[in-house]
Amino acid sequence: DTAVSQTPKYLVTQMGNDKSIKCEQNLGHDTMYWYKQDSKKFLKIMFSYNNKELIINETVPNRFSPKSPDKAHLNLHINSLELGDSAVYFCASSQGKPSALNTEAFFGQGTRLTVV
Amino acid sequence: AQSVAQPEDQVNVAEGNPLTVKCTYSVSGNPYLFWYVQYPNRGLQFLLKYITGDNLVKGSYGFEAEFNKSQTSFHLKKPSALVSDSALYFCAVRDARTGGFKTIFGAGTRLFVKA
Repeated sequence: DTAVSQTPKYLVTQMGNDKSIKCEQNLGHDTMYWYKQDSKKFLKIMFSYNNKELIINETVPNRFSPKSPDKAHLNLHINSLELGDSAVYFCASSQGKPSALNTEAFFGQGTRLTVV
Repeated sequence: AQSVAQPEDQVNVAEGNPLTVKCTYSVSGNPYLFWYVQYPNRGLQFLLKYITGDNLVKGSYGFEAEFNKSQTSFHLKKPSALVSDSALYFCAVRDARTGGFKTIFGAGTRLFVKA
């Protein structure tokens, strides 16, 4: 019954590797997001998709590539992982368009990525 | 540019006492304000939001927040704290003038409720 689910929950990998994080929402929402939470708990948006279309790309390195096969899924692929990529990555979704100001976001439980 | 400030890194309160977690904002248009809570090893959960209307907004788990336009604040409150309220709280804002595409989160305030 999980509304927004991410896999894996934990990911430990070596520098230079390529990894993916998957996200699925069963809320019927049109908009999905990826957020990065750093070690100080600061939360910053990375990407936003609406109905499979990229809406926001917040000056994230090209090594990060989101992919949305359908509006219920938004996966995050990361190439050539670096130590600084270590963080918790959250997927989220919201109803309507990204410009819908009055809608709150529903978050997944997060993926803790550790690059060694 | 829109921004959100949570001036306290941590708030400590005894169980049963009222709690306040502070938030101030800066936007160029009408603010749309949100509070989220994050429990350990979990994602953020929506608590409440201010869009328009009454300045006092009621939300989940007995929380409420007061919108004050003149002070550009949106403080989170609860009349009687519970130990289970201990968590990380985030204030967030969406700005109509920038199209609202982005939600800007504050740095978070850690709430400790002592039994």
